[in-house]
Amino acid sequence: AQSVTQLGSHVSVSEGALVLLRCNYSSSVPPYLFWYVQYPNQGLQLLLKYTSAATLVKGINGFEAEFKKSETSFHLTKPSAHMSDAAEYFCAVRGSGGGADGLTFGKGTHLIIQP
Amino acid sequence: DGGITQSPKYLFRKEGQNVTLSCEQNLNHDAMYWYRQDPGQGLRLIYYSQIVNDFQKGDIAEGYSVSREKKESFPLTVTSAQKNPTAFYLCASKSLSGAINEQFFGPGTRLTVL
Repeated sequence: AQSVTQLGSHVSVSEGALVLLRCNYSSSVPPYLFWYVQYPNQGLQLLLKYTSAATLVKGINGFEAEFKKSETSFHLTKPSAHMSDAAEYFCAVRGSGGGADGLTFGKGTHLIIQP
Repeated sequence: DGGITQSPKYLFRKEGQNVTLSCEQNLNHDAMYWYRQDPGQGLRLIYYSQIVNDFQKGDIAEGYSVSREKKESFPLTVTSAQKNPTAFYLCASKSLSGAINEQFFGPGTRLTVL
């Protein structure tokens, strides 16, 4: 079974500062990992995904994430926060055992950008 | 434009009523999913379907039912047996061919029980 832990339900950073959103996963098989962003009252949009290729994954809007197997982590970063980055961010894991089962999501981190 | 549509955007229901949420996709995706989102709880899987006329229960299927009569449609019925149905409901779809593919999400339906 898979599980995801996102440390910090709320993270606040100043505009222009580094964004770091933490995600740790548990999986009995090599995982596939995803970061999604959700703006208020909207669906989820994919930021980036890790599928066992490069451990450093670049996504949209200047975000990137690094897969660290030894730490079972997939933290999301952005060098310089912008006001438009304020949203809810979800980390998700899917086992690589095949099938079409749904993703297991973390509880989300609300990113607040201070002007 | 290809995508996923959900309707209605907002839905109000009286206790004891069944309601059906619509989900349609024109992405030619094989798999479709329903999630429930509650504040501070993330998303939880209700049902999923890989092929027409077949579907499987997710983690919280009790009180819900689905059908998959067409590839592009996957409606969700919230029955009166669902004790706490007020939530934000998200539909997603995914291609099952090729490399590992992400799920694409619709805009959601917010259900409120009065």
